[in-house]
Formats: sequence, structure tokens, C-alpha cells
Amino acid sequence: DTGVSQDPRHKITKRGQNVTFRCDPISEHNRLYWYRQTLGQGPEFLTYFQNEAQLEKSRLLSDRFSAERPKGSFSTLEIQRTEQGDSAMYLCASSLWNTEAFFGQGTRLTVV
Amino acid sequence: DAKTTQPNSMESNEEEPVHLPCNHSTISGTDYIHWYRQLPSQGPEYVIHGLTSNVNNRMASLAIAEDRKSSTLILHRATLRDAAVYYCILKLMNYGGSQGNLIFGKGTKLSVKP
Repeated sequence: DTGVSQDPRHKITKRGQNVTFRCDPISEHNRLYWYRQTLGQGPEFLTYFQNEAQLEKSRLLSDRFSAERPKGSFSTLEIQRTEQGDSAMYLCASSLWNTEAFFGQGTRLTVV
Repeated sequence: DAKTTQPNSMESNEEEPVHLPCNHSTISGTDYIHWYRQLPSQGPEYVIHGLTSNVNNRMASLAIAEDRKSSTLILHRATLRDAAVYYCILKLMNYGGSQGNLIFGKGTKLSVKP
């Protein structure tokens, strides 16, 4: 297992377009987290799953954002009608229950 | 989650020890103290965690005050690769519990000079 992988690593999109990111967690990990990070700030929690159930969502997760984890394996994060303020690094992490989290290298989104 | 306070930045010389402080005066009895670090252009990386006793692993040591209101991450010999942002986070470690997310602050940016 090579760790948490995210795809794509970089995404440039025009304002108003929809984008989807994928995260493949470490295979035996049942928890999966999404974070967003802007320059100079620490990562901000967006949402997390335990298996296929979405257990918590941050207020930051507006109705334009949706996350899924079908079958409790990989996860997708979709942003609809992107805005310039959505430009950020989107980080995915996984863990076995509530133990230490392992992060991917992130997807850098630029909205132009 | 209880909050932590860290200095914005610190500097160290290569091959010298580094002590990164963290204050968490509102810590509760069930909060574990976690440290993560984030190297440039990377996702955060787990470093160490503890509850009451001091902890050592291959990356670092964690010294926890007796009243648990502060802790110190110790890098015994800083290298250039240790230059990163270090985050001190309080987390409820309930193995099967629903609370799981890490709440990051701004962390301490550590610079290491050759």
C-alpha cells in the first residue's frame, strides 16, 4: 500500500464549472476525511466518513459541495458552480477508527 | 475541541535540539495531545501523541506538563528536512467514538539554518 492517493494533483477550472476530486484511502482504514487549506492557514475540516456513512459535515461545506464514499472505499468530493473563493488545496486523509490520520498530497484547485 | 496556542515561528540551527511549545490550558481529561507536521507542498504527517506521560518515538519526543496545560515537542537533532509547520492538536481519543476530526490551528513554522 502506497498510502493515501488523490487525483488529480492539480486542477484549473473556469468559474461556474463543476469539479470532482477522488481520494483512495489506505485499504484497511475505515475513516476518511476531507480538509481544505488556503495559503498560510492550517487545514480546515470539511467532512468525514466512517465506512460509507457521512458522520460529520462542517458549516464550511456549503450546498455546492457534496462528498460520497460508496461502498466505504474511495471517496469523491464534488464542487458545483465553482467560485474563485474555492481555490485551495483539498486534502484527504484516512485512519483506522480514531487513531492517527494519514494524509494524501492533496489536489490543488485554481478557479479562474 | 479545546484550543491550543503556539508561537507563529521558530528558528533552529541544524543538528541542534528544538523545543516546540504548545499551551492548552482548557484541555479536558479525555483529550489526547497530537502533533502533526506539514512539509512544504505536502499533506500533514503524524508525528506523535500522548495523554499524560512523556512519549518517545523515532521522530520526536513529547514532554507533557504535570497539569497537562502545556506540552513540548522535542526534535533531538534538527535537520534541514525538519523545516515544516508543526501543529499541536487536542483530540478526543475514543477508539470507536463518532468524534474523529482533527482541528488544526496555524501551527509553528520551524526554520532550520545550516
